[in-house]
Amino acid sequence: AQSVTQPDIHITVSEGASLELRCNYSYGATPYLFWYVQSPGQGLQLLLKYFSGDTLVQGIKGFEAEFKRSQSSFNLRKPSVHWSDAAEYFCAVGGNRDDKIIFGKGTRLHILP
Amino acid sequence: DTAVSQTPKYLVTQMGNDKSIKCEQNLGHDTMYWYKQDSKKFLKIMFSYNNKELIINETVPNRFSPKSPDKAHLNLHINSLELGDSAVYFCASSHRTGGGNTIYFGEGSWLTVV
Repeated sequence: AQSVTQPDIHITVSEGASLELRCNYSYGATPYLFWYVQSPGQGLQLLLKYFSGDTLVQGIKGFEAEFKRSQSSFNLRKPSVHWSDAAEYFCAVGGNRDDKIIFGKGTRLHILP
Repeated sequence: DTAVSQTPKYLVTQMGNDKSIKCEQNLGHDTMYWYKQDSKKFLKIMFSYNNKELIINETVPNRFSPKSPDKAHLNLHINSLELGDSAVYFCASSHRTGGGNTIYFGEGSWLTVV
């Protein structure tokens, strides 16, 4: 079965600074990887996903993520954060047809003015 | 138009009561889910239905009973509510089952048991 780890519970960055949120997964084959964002009081919204092909994936709101098989990682990046990016970010991993998607425990992003 | 909608958004009830949360999706998806998010934001799948058939049933107490009258609806009924049931419950849907399918979430139902 697959698993996913987000090592950072909280991350604080200044507005305009770059951002990287870490995600490590465990799965025996090529995984399906996702990043979701949850704003306060809201549901989860898909930022981007990786299924195959180019390992650098572009998403909405200026986010990107890079799949690194050798490191079992799928880190989320943004070159310049905005105050509206303050939210909870979830990495998720899915396996083959019969496997469910497993979510990490989330990273809370705080933005300093 | 809301893709996955669930009602009510907020629910405060006493221990021992029975309550239901309703969910509907208009995305034409075959698969629907219930997830529970606890106070630490941990998101855990509870149930998954595909074309009204139960696919995933995690270790959830029998007090929780999902019902899918058709593939666009998945309701969650909870009997004899306990304090530990306080959480946010998310309904979600995807085109098919399987780990490669993007899941679309509703906005959540905040359940508080007092």
